[in-house]
Amino acid sequence: DQQVKQNSPSLSVQEGRISILNCDYTNSMFDYFLWYKKYPAEGPTFLISISSIKDKNEDGRFTVFLNKSAKHLSLHIVPSQPGDSAVYFCAANWSGNTGKLIFGQGTTLQVKP
Amino acid sequence: DAGITQSPRHKVTETGTPVTLRCHQTENHRYMYWYRQDPGHGLRLIHYSYGVKDTDKGEVSDGYSVSRSKTEDFLLTLESATSSQTSVYFCAISDGTESNQPQHFGDGTRLSIL
Repeated sequence: DQQVKQNSPSLSVQEGRISILNCDYTNSMFDYFLWYKKYPAEGPTFLISISSIKDKNEDGRFTVFLNKSAKHLSLHIVPSQPGDSAVYFCAANWSGNTGKLIFGQGTTLQVKP
Repeated sequence: DAGITQSPRHKVTETGTPVTLRCHQTENHRYMYWYRQDPGHGLRLIHYSYGVKDTDKGEVSDGYSVSRSKTEDFLLTLESATSSQTSVYFCAISDGTESNQPQHFGDGTRLSIL
């Protein structure tokens, strides 16, 4: 049973345009969500997070939106750059769960010059 | 970058042999985790540690054991490796479990079991 789902295995966008990566979850106990970026042959790198008490968190070119009623979050990258080409993982957890992250399957983003 | 070193980075071994992967951190973080990454599954938690000699199971713990005798080292052991354990293994560390204390990952160990 996949509690965190990233239904788009891949996404291709043009440099300078917006990239939108989506993530759905089923567990109502999740109270914070994270996005990680992963380059080949490297470990995942933390990108941005959001608490369930917020609906938006912004950090430079990266913004995460949370819609709790729909159990959906999205990561927006504006403007997209070729260096953003990577696999993006959505992850979720809840307080008191000893940090045991539940990850989605990942979405491979390709930003074309 | 968080001071996390995984060793070995690559390993090929045969079915039935024991394998131990090491994660070493220089951050003095309390929490350490072992994940495996497989196509179509993202990362899945194998075991984690919340202190020296304090460990617990994750989502996919069958066939794996762990040990943490020092704060800086977290070992993952496959007692008798099987082909289904071919995967990329990632260690992660964190200073706490709150949302403002994200996990930081090592660069992984690619393990192939023939």
